[in-house]
Amino acid sequence: EAGVTQFPSHSVIEKGQTVTLRCDPISGHDNLYWYRRVMGKEIKFLLHFVKESKQDESGMPNNRFLAERTGGTYSTLKVQPAELEDSGVYFCASSQDRVGVRETQYFGPGTRLLVL
Amino acid sequence: AQSVTQPDIHITVSEGASLELRCNYSYGATPYLFWYVQSPGQGLQLLLKYFSGDTLVQGIKGFEAEFKRSQSSFNLRKPSVHWSDAAEYFCAVGAVSLTAGNKLTFGGGTRVLVKP
Repeated sequence: EAGVTQFPSHSVIEKGQTVTLRCDPISGHDNLYWYRRVMGKEIKFLLHFVKESKQDESGMPNNRFLAERTGGTYSTLKVQPAELEDSGVYFCASSQDRVGVRETQYFGPGTRLLVL
Repeated sequence: AQSVTQPDIHITVSEGASLELRCNYSYGATPYLFWYVQSPGQGLQLLLKYFSGDTLVQGIKGFEAEFKRSQSSFNLRKPSVHWSDAAEYFCAVGAVSLTAGNKLTFGGGTRVLVKP
């Protein structure tokens, strides 16, 4: 069974540009999460999809970040326009359990974003 | 709100020696707890988890962790470290919510260096 995949693995862009990150969850997993680790800080939750619906987006830092999950399969996270403080590693995770029960999240390799 | 503290930012251990990584959590209800590992250039891999029951849990790669409610701790141990255990280790606590997602809260991570 394939794990969570993320694309690209690395991205270097200039401040003000747009970047789109993609996550493909494990097949059959309805829950999809985005997390971020900025330099030297903790990994922090960004948002959670159940299928194509946003269940919790309380961790999204501002309206420059837009996440979508059309059709309930893969998800994209767009940063527009990118700022220097957006640099970090963006992780995606998925799980198959229902909301409201204890679940195990499986993580992808992350996308390393550097904004210059 | 829940929080996780990993007091040790870096730990250096000799190959073959034992390893213990500390994790303290704050959570208002019964937590469910995880340890993840990130090897260089890799994503987050689940080592083990505690949901309920036996407070000593076994994981992959010879790791184990013990949940101590009275101390709010979930320390990770390995009796004999291998060079391939050099990595960054993250403790995380999960929240169960019927309305929101099951987002994880991570500690800051502990980077383990293994000396030959």
